[in-house]
Amino acid sequence: AQKITQTQPGMFVQEKEAVTLDCTYDTSDQSYGLFWYKQPSSGEMIFLIYQGSYDEQNATEGRYSLNFQKARKSANLVISASQLGDSAMYFCAMREGRVQGAQKLVFGQGTRLTINP
Amino acid sequence: KAGVTQTPRYLIKTRGQQVTLSCSPISGHRSVSWYQQTPGQGLQFLFEYFSETQRNKGNFPGRFSGRQFSNSRSEMNVSTLELGDSALYLCASSLPTTTSQETQYFGPGTRLLVL
Repeated sequence: AQKITQTQPGMFVQEKEAVTLDCTYDTSDQSYGLFWYKQPSSGEMIFLIYQGSYDEQNATEGRYSLNFQKARKSANLVISASQLGDSAMYFCAMREGRVQGAQKLVFGQGTRLTINP
Repeated sequence: KAGVTQTPRYLIKTRGQQVTLSCSPISGHRSVSWYQQTPGQGLQFLFEYFSETQRNKGNFPGRFSGRQFSNSRSEMNVSTLELGDSALYLCASSLPTTTSQETQYFGPGTRLLVL
């Protein structure tokens, strides 16, 4: 069974610093997708970044980048130059393998990030 | 383009009642998935619908059911509510693609409180 592990329940970071949120995964599939979502206190899950298992380069989206280490089965999210608005819960998720097949995301327990001014 | 919408946003019910939650996906999206989020269990997959057919189902009792209409809008129903059903229910939609990046976009959720 697929599993996502986020070992940091909470993190506190000074504004403008970079922060790395850890995510490790376990799967026997060769084809899979990894996602990061942000959940502010309002509850909505906001898509941040995606990494495919066959992608050779690390994904980047603005201030977000994904440090993908396939052999270690890790997909850490890096936020550069953190802002107060980055304070939220962050979830790492994995999509089960088949393309155009049944959709299901498996989520980690999340990391609560707090940015201090 | 409008995002995923969910109604109602908040709901208070009593044990034994039933509830219906609604989700309208992003225009053009044909897959709709439902998730339950609780402090104890985290985010858990309920089920997924595609072209009016349930394509995948999580490990929830039969009290939880859903359906999808021809316009891709989806509803989920919980019958005989229990206190443990209190949760944030999130709906997500996705556009079928030919790549593995079939990103799910989430709605704001419906907060259900069972008293």
